Amino acid sequence: GNSVTQMEGPVTLSEEAFLTINCTYTATGYPSLFWYVQYPGEGLQLLLKATKADDKGSNKGFEATYRKETTSFHLEKGSVQVSDSAVYFCALSVDTGGFKTIFGAGTRLFVKA
Amino acid sequence: GAGVSQSPRYKVAKRGQDVALRCDPISGHVSLFWYQQALGQGPEFLTYFQNEAQLDKSGLPSDRFFAERPEGSVSTLKIQRTQQEDSAVYLCASSLGSGAEQFFGPGTRLTVL
Repeated sequence: GNSVTQMEGPVTLSEEAFLTINCTYTATGYPSLFWYVQYPGEGLQLLLKATKADDKGSNKGFEATYRKETTSFHLEKGSVQVSDSAVYFCALSVDTGGFKTIFGAGTRLFVKA
Repeated sequence: GAGVSQSPRYKVAKRGQDVALRCDPISGHVSLFWYQQALGQGPEFLTYFQNEAQLDKSGLPSDRFFAERPEGSVSTLKIQRTQQEDSAVYLCASSLGSGAEQFFGPGTRLTVL
């Protein structure tokens, strides 16, 4: 079946630290991969995506590369800010006659000043 | 409207009551999705519409859950005879097409006492 596993949180970092949030997936077919972010008090929003192997998605200094050989889509940022504090969800979408999106459990990130 | 809206934002129901949750998608968005998000978890897919057609309802947890989108725009998720385990945030998302970026509403937080 289709599933997403991401590292458990919370992750606590100091401002300007390097961030990695691991995400691995299992899927039948050829999924598209996503990172969504949920800031405190706000709804889910798409952060970045990649639709095929070796694609790199990037946005707001975050990036993730679609690695088919390791079935991974790890999220990275070189220098985090306090404003990056949020919950991050890795997700996949595969066409099963409709595009069902499967989410990971989420990783909460706290960034300290 | 500017984004996906959902109403009510909060709903408290006594066990056994029926509830109806409304989603207004972004105008012109063909696809509409419902998700259930339990506390501390990622969203779980419930059902998907393309226009007025319900193409996938494999995620609905029981026959007490029913969704409709009769005119291909507004959608309603109905839960009959609510149980405590139905307590969750119910998210609606819409997109231009089945594989396009999904835009999420703020969710309805349902608490069943």
